Amino acid sequence: DTGVSQDPRHKITKRGQNVTFRCDPISEHNRLYWYRQTLGQGPEFLTYFQNEAQLEKSRLLSDRFSAERPKGSFSTLEIQRTEQGDSAMYLCASSLQTVTQYFGPGTRLTVL
Amino acid sequence: DQQVKQNSPSLSVQEGRISILNCDYTNSMFDYFLWYKKYPAEGPTFLISISSIKDKNEDGRFTVFLNKSAKHLSLHIVPSQPGDSAVYFCAASAVSGANSKLTFGKGITLSVRP
Repeated sequence: DTGVSQDPRHKITKRGQNVTFRCDPISEHNRLYWYRQTLGQGPEFLTYFQNEAQLEKSRLLSDRFSAERPKGSFSTLEIQRTEQGDSAMYLCASSLQTVTQYFGPGTRLTVL
Repeated sequence: DQQVKQNSPSLSVQEGRISILNCDYTNSMFDYFLWYKKYPAEGPTFLISISSIKDKNEDGRFTVFLNKSAKHLSLHIVPSQPGDSAVYFCAASAVSGANSKLTFGKGITLSVRP
């Protein structure tokens, strides 16, 4: 069990640029989640995959955000035309048909 | 609309004493509750959970109590250790829902004094 990994750990970008984050879940975990955490808040749900199917998207996920999990293994989260309000910690979690989710270390995004 | 509330932002306790972290929820559909611990620059780490069919679950130094009628749960840490100093998040899920997404509180910063 190597745990959930995320890449990169930190990303600094200029407003208007596109960024992409990667998440590798725990092997054989079929459920994968993305959350966003801002300062002083708990993680907030963004989107959920069961295998390769994206089954739910939060209203927090604007049209500038897109997520994929092409082969039911790793997932990517892309933010287009970044805004300063996108600055946050982006967390990925996975689970195997249970409620308990295991989180990765997160990607901290700073938009200048 | 905060469905999971952790009203005390911080708690400081002496090493060896009990830490009690509280959490309230408003959504009656929640039927599974979890506690996560988070150190700076790391992701949340799962600690302990409880289903709504139980009122207590214990794992070593950690015990979670659930009072469904009051929509309240608490995490007890006994004895508290300096390594327990971290941010603790309460989370809830509606298991019967489509995806078991977690709804988190804002967290409580626990400081354990040596």
